[in-house]
Amino acid sequence: NAGVTQTPKFRILKIGQSMTLQCTQDMNHNYMYWYRQDPGMGLKLIYYSVGAGITDKGEVPNGYNVSRSTTEDFPLRLELAAPSQTSVYFCASSLTGAQREAFFGQGTRLTVV
Amino acid sequence: GENVEQHPSTLSVQEGDSAVIKCTYSDSASNYFPWYKQELGKRPQLIIDIRSNVGEKKDQRIAVTLNKTAKHFSLHITETQPEDSAVYFCAVNTDKLIFGTGTRLQVFP
Repeated sequence: NAGVTQTPKFRILKIGQSMTLQCTQDMNHNYMYWYRQDPGMGLKLIYYSVGAGITDKGEVPNGYNVSRSTTEDFPLRLELAAPSQTSVYFCASSLTGAQREAFFGQGTRLTVV
Repeated sequence: GENVEQHPSTLSVQEGDSAVIKCTYSDSASNYFPWYKQELGKRPQLIIDIRSNVGEKKDQRIAVTLNKTAKHFSLHITETQPEDSAVYFCAVNTDKLIFGTGTRLQVFP
């Protein structure tokens, strides 16, 4: 049982490049989330999904896109990377109902230069 | 949308003292209130949570209290130890899981 797995762990992008951050979970969780955490700061919700085929914007969605074609996978797409997107990105998942604990992946450290 | 405020942003205590972190939220529909601990360079991990039908919950040295009328909840850590040093986040969950801004706790021996 791997939990929540994110790839890659580190990435350096040039301004204007695009990339996809991968997130997969093997716990059959319905809810999945993407957060960014700037240095010394809190976790800001980018996008979330309550099930396959359903996604919605969080607090800071601009510059990002997501899709949720399966229960397991929730990739985050960065189009036209900007220095302001330099951050650590965390994916998380949780069950619905009373069991709400969110389990986090190990994070992806992204630098845009 | 939901707004979660957390105070203080930093907290320094002597080993053995108590630490209290407070959060307020805006959405009265919120029904689940977890607290996460994040050590340096690591992912956040749940330490305790409380649901809206409960006023207080305790797990060894940590406790959480909830006042739904006033829309605030607090984390209490007693008999603090150096290994409690970390950043603590409150969060509020309806469908979205929204985090507070974090509290950096330092416990000095």
